[in-house]
Amino acid sequence: TQLLEQSPQFLSIQEGENLTVYCNSSSVFSSLQWYRQEPGEGPVLLVTVVTGGEVKKLKRLTFQFGDARKDSSLHITAAQPGDTGLYLCAGTSGGTSYGKLTFGQGTILTVHP
Amino acid sequence: NAGVTQTPKFRILKIGQSMTLQCTQDMNHNYMYWYRQDPGMGLKLIYYSVGAGITDKGEVPNGYNVSRSTTEDFPLRLELAAPSQTSVYFCASRLVFRSSYEQYFGPGTRLTVT
Repeated sequence: TQLLEQSPQFLSIQEGENLTVYCNSSSVFSSLQWYRQEPGEGPVLLVTVVTGGEVKKLKRLTFQFGDARKDSSLHITAAQPGDTGLYLCAGTSGGTSYGKLTFGQGTILTVHP
Repeated sequence: NAGVTQTPKFRILKIGQSMTLQCTQDMNHNYMYWYRQDPGMGLKLIYYSVGAGITDKGEVPNGYNVSRSTTEDFPLRLELAAPSQTSVYFCASRLVFRSSYEQYFGPGTRLTVT
């Protein structure tokens, strides 16, 4: 069974601070996705990384896939209250996995004005 | 284009009752999934389907059943509800196309079993 360990579980910071969320596994994933979830809603995809060492930027968010495709990180620069939410990493294996996702436990981010 | 819709949004069941959670997508996606989300536990896959008439178990299928008679609909059936099935249930769909991995999620059904 593939597992994804996400850390930290909770993060409470002031507006303007930087933060990093980590997603680690002992297994290799063919792709790694990051989702953001608001209360009362389903997760919404932020980014997909598929190549070891890949870095993708989405405005103030930077996503990195580890060289060995076993880990990933999400870095937010100058966090804003609108970034508050639950961040989930999810990995998928290749082959006949049918796109099934293995999720991490999630990181609850609160950004205070 | 409504995306993925789920009904009901909330439901309270008594132990031993049964119910069906409805999921419909209008994006003509061939793959569909059911997840449950418990507090602090992320999402766990219950069942999935790769097309009409084809379903398979995920990580936590016990106590649930699914069917997929059309591309659009993927209902989840709970027989003999138990308190351990108290959770938020999400349905998702995905279009299998080249390197498209994105799953589109519905708004969820919050179920309480007492």
